[in-house]
Amino acid sequence: DQQVKQNSPSLSVQEGRISILNCDYTNSMFDYFLWYKKYPAEGPTFLISISSIKDKNEDGRFTVFLNKSAKHLSLHIVPSQPGDSAVYFCAARQAGTALIFGKGTTLSVSS
Amino acid sequence: KAGVTQTPRYLIKTRGQQVTLSCSPISGHRSVSWYQQTPGQGLQFLFEYFSETQRNKGNFPGRFSGRQFSNSRSEMNVSTLELGDSALYLCASSLAPLGNQPQHFGDGTRLSIL
Repeated sequence: DQQVKQNSPSLSVQEGRISILNCDYTNSMFDYFLWYKKYPAEGPTFLISISSIKDKNEDGRFTVFLNKSAKHLSLHIVPSQPGDSAVYFCAARQAGTALIFGKGTTLSVSS
Repeated sequence: KAGVTQTPRYLIKTRGQQVTLSCSPISGHRSVSWYQQTPGQGLQFLFEYFSETQRNKGNFPGRFSGRQFSNSRSEMNVSTLELGDSALYLCASSLAPLGNQPQHFGDGTRLSIL
């Protein structure tokens, strides 16, 4: 049973527009959420995180939103750039346990 | 600051053999976690080590084992290799285990079983 789901395998966006990547989770005990970006032949790179006591966290072009009642997490990238083209993973953790990852969304940003 | 280093980057083995993969964490990081990434399953958690002790374990058979040394470096061993063990094995380090801080990943070891 997948506890963290990324229902869109892929997303295509034009350069300069907003990219919105979505993630749903089922475990209400999750209290820490992260987004990673992965290029081919490289390991995942940490992008941004949010704890369950917040509903928004920003870092430059990246903003993560957390809707606890809907058990929904989203990553907004504004403006999108061609270099943002990669696979994006969301991950979640319950205190004291391991990170659980979604299966990823491939973002393609065209110029 | 050096990142997480995994060796070797690529490895080819045959069924029935065993393999040992190595991971050196970021300097100062004492927690090391291992993940298996396959196309169909995404990143699956194998185990986590802190202070030379296994703190958490995923749902993998006993053929998968690991250890951590006093300098925080970690090794992962897979015995009696099966075709299904072909995957990218990723190591991640963090300052402390299981807390609200990000894990930082190495570039992985690509293991192919023939």
